[in-house]
Formats: sequence, C-alpha cells, structure tokens
Amino acid sequence: GQQLNQSPQSMFIQEGEDVSMNCTSSSIFNTWLWYKQEPGEGPVLLIALYKAGELTSNGRLTAQFGITRKDSFLNISASIPSDVGIYFCAGQFNAGNMLTFGGGTRLMVKP
Amino acid sequence: KAGVTQTPRYLIKTRGQQVTLSCSPISGHRSVSWYQQTPGQGLQFLFEYFSETQRNKGNFPGRFSGRQFSNSRSEMNVSTLELGDSALYLCASSEGRLRFGNEQFFGPGTRLTVL
Repeated sequence: GQQLNQSPQSMFIQEGEDVSMNCTSSSIFNTWLWYKQEPGEGPVLLIALYKAGELTSNGRLTAQFGITRKDSFLNISASIPSDVGIYFCAGQFNAGNMLTFGGGTRLMVKP
Repeated sequence: KAGVTQTPRYLIKTRGQQVTLSCSPISGHRSVSWYQQTPGQGLQFLFEYFSETQRNKGNFPGRFSGRQFSNSRSEMNVSTLELGDSALYLCASSEGRLRFGNEQFFGPGTRLTVL
C-alpha cells in the first residue's frame, strides 16, 4: 500500500530557530496536508496543498507540494515553545476522506 | 460549534473481549472516518462512513467494523480483541462532499488498552 516517509523523526531545537521537515512517497498524491498533534488531542490541520508546486503559508508555517507530487515539506520559522508537538504529513489520493499519514516528526523547543 | 466527541476516552479490556467506541461528529457533518494510532504503525485509516454507508475501507481485518446512524453519529466495534489492538482510536468528521479540500476535524480519541 501507499506509505509516506517522514523525516526527521524528532528534533530538539532552540527557541527562535527555524525548522524544516519533509515527507516523501513512492506514489503520487493529489493533496498534501500537514497536521499537528499535541498530547491528549487529535491532529489539527495546519496547511493543505492542492496543486503540484504550490507554496502556501500560514503565519510562521510554510509548506510546499512537490512538483513530482511525491513529496512535501513544512518549514516553521522562528520557533516558539508552543510549537512543541508531533507534526504529521498526510496524503490524499482521491476525493474521498482516506488519508495516508507519515510517521510524524516530534518537535521539542528549548526556551 | 461543538467539536468532535469521542466516548469513552479510556478503556481497558482483556483479550478475546469485544469493544464498541462512539463518535459524535460536528453538527452538520455527514462523514465520519476512523483511524488507529499506534507507536509502531502510526496513524492508519480504518474506514469512512457517509450517510450511513461505508464509503472507504482501509486494510484491517474483519474484526474491525463500524456503522453510522441517521444522526451521523458513528460507532466502531472490535471483536475478539488482541494485544496488538491496543491503540488510540481517532474519529474525524467532515462535511462529506466528495472533493479535495474536505477538511477533517479530529476528536481527542479513545485510548484502548488490551490486557
């Protein structure tokens, strides 16, 4: 089945640093999504990407949909302590609601 | 607008038992999807229900089943529980139209522990 490889698995950074994480797939996706999950909560959508090559920002977050449709990255600029959590990429192939998730990147921010 | 509600939040069962989990979607949402989250396998899609019909299904054994009621509330059932079924079960609701950009809103999950 489809699988998403997400890296890095974890990051421990200093407050104020920029962060970059990415996802690659062996199959194409028609939509890429980035979620954040905090302890005791379900994932929350951060950014959705719908077109190959698309670059989208949401505050300090920027994500891109790779032109091959097999990869995506998420950047977080000037990290703050509340950025702590697990970030997941997810791909959607068809217009149904089935998502394929990456393994997650655990982000820890040192004040 | 109230968010997605899942009950119970925590559950402990023993091998061989069965369990039923419940999900109430956001008001007006007609699609409910279920996901299993484990440290080893990550987040995996179980199935999706829309208008009381299963619309999509992931790669899980038949012990995992679900249903949706006319008010869009959904239940999932796991029969003959195995130790490996211990996981966080997440429910996600969306408007349900078949299109890209159908944002799914996740509930807090039910933590199932199988002893």
